[in-house]
Amino acid sequence: AQTVTQSQPEMSVQEAETVTLSCTYDTSENNYYLFWYKQPPSRQMILVIRQEAYKQQNATENRFSVNFQKAAKSFSLKISDSQLGDTAMYFCAFIRKTSYDKVIFGPGTSLSVIP
Amino acid sequence: DAGVTQSPTHLIKTRGQQVTLRCSPKSGHDTVSWYQQALGQGPQFIFQYYEEEERQRGNFPDRFSGHQFPNYSSELNVNALLLGDSALYLCASSPTTSGRVYEQYFGPGTRLTVT
Repeated sequence: AQTVTQSQPEMSVQEAETVTLSCTYDTSENNYYLFWYKQPPSRQMILVIRQEAYKQQNATENRFSVNFQKAAKSFSLKISDSQLGDTAMYFCAFIRKTSYDKVIFGPGTSLSVIP
Repeated sequence: DAGVTQSPTHLIKTRGQQVTLRCSPKSGHDTVSWYQQALGQGPQFIFQYYEEEERQRGNFPDRFSGHQFPNYSSELNVNALLLGDSALYLCASSPTTSGRVYEQYFGPGTRLTVT
C-alpha cells in the first residue's frame, strides 16, 4: 500500500521570501505520479505541480518548483517570492501510473504568508 | 469549460437521515471519484465510478453508495448519517479512456454537517 507523509503541519513565511514544504512517500511501484495540490479557504483543490517518477528533471511552474529524490522517496515543494495568495493548505499526493487509480493524499501543511 | 461542479454547496442533516450529493465531471472525462475530507485532514478515497459501475472502493461502510449516469455525472448517497460523517465531500473527474490517469480535476466540494 502507498502512504504519503507531510511532517510539517503548519508553516509560515514572510511575503517575498522562499519556503520549502516537505513530503515523503512509501511505495513499491516504479511508475507513478506525484502532485502538490493547494486548497485555499475557498476549498477548491487546485493542482500546483506534477512530477512523473520516470522523469529525472524536477518539474517547475513559475514560482513553484520541486526537488524529487526518487531513491529517498522525497518530494519537496519550493515556493519562491511568496505572495499573500499562496496562503492555503498544501497537500502532497500520489497516484500509480496505471489505466486508472485513486489519489492518495498526505495530511497537509498549512502555509501562512505574512505581510 | 465549467470544470467539475458539485451540488449542493452546503448541507445540514440530522443523525439517521439520508443525503445525496451530486457531481458533474469536466468535459471529456468519463471517471468520477469521491473523497471525504474531515476538518484539518487530507482527503480519503471513498469510491470510483466508470462506465456506470463502481470500479474501486476505499475503506468506507456500505452506508456509502453511489451511482454514475450515462452522461458520466455521479451521485454519492450516505444512509443513516452519523455525526462522524460531517466533512467536506470532494468529487474528482479523470479521463480513463485516454489513459491520462494523472489528469485529476477536483470540484469545490459539498460541506456536510450532521447534527
